[in-house]
Amino acid sequence: AQRVTQPEKLLSVFKGAPVELKCNYSYSGSPELFWYVQYSRQRLQLLLRHISRESIKGFTADLNKGETSFHLKKPFAQEEDSAMYYCALSRYNTDKLIFGTGTRLQVFP
Amino acid sequence: EAGVTQFPSHSVIEKGQTVTLRCDPISGHDNLYWYRRVMGKEIKFLLHFVKESKQDESGMPNNRFLAERTGGTYSTLKVQPAELEDSGVYFCASSPLSTGGNSPLHFGNGTRLTVT
Repeated sequence: AQRVTQPEKLLSVFKGAPVELKCNYSYSGSPELFWYVQYSRQRLQLLLRHISRESIKGFTADLNKGETSFHLKKPFAQEEDSAMYYCALSRYNTDKLIFGTGTRLQVFP
Repeated sequence: EAGVTQFPSHSVIEKGQTVTLRCDPISGHDNLYWYRRVMGKEIKFLLHFVKESKQDESGMPNNRFLAERTGGTYSTLKVQPAELEDSGVYFCASSPLSTGGNSPLHFGNGTRLTVT
């Protein structure tokens, strides 16, 4: 069965500290992995996807097929990074997403 | 470009009543999805339209839920009769048809449904 696991419900760090939001998945084929973010009073929006291999707002995520992980990292957290982060996967050639339960990131000044 | 819009933003109804949620996708997006987040749980897929056709409704919880997309534009999701466990945030998302690979989904703000 396809599943996305985000083990942390809440992650609290101070501004300037490194951040790693964990995501593990189970899927037998070749998935596409995404990170979506929801800032306070805003809609859920795409942060980054593994095929793009981009750094968005200082965040990066590397797909590790051996560990079936897609952890989201940022070396220096900012207060404006405080939000709800969802890891998600889809099968190739379909947009249907399977989400994790989300991790709330709190960045304190 | 106007984003995905959902109406209403909040709805509070009593158990046994009927509620209809509406989603207007981004113009030109043939894919339309409904998702639901129940408190403390993951965002779960409900169903997927391609234009006016239901492509996948495997996530619909039971026959109290009815989704339509007449004309392939906006979509409605009706819950009748509502039960307490239907409370949650209902998200709509849309994406264009793509010739290959996956398109990112564009989400609406969601409708928060509370059944009392």
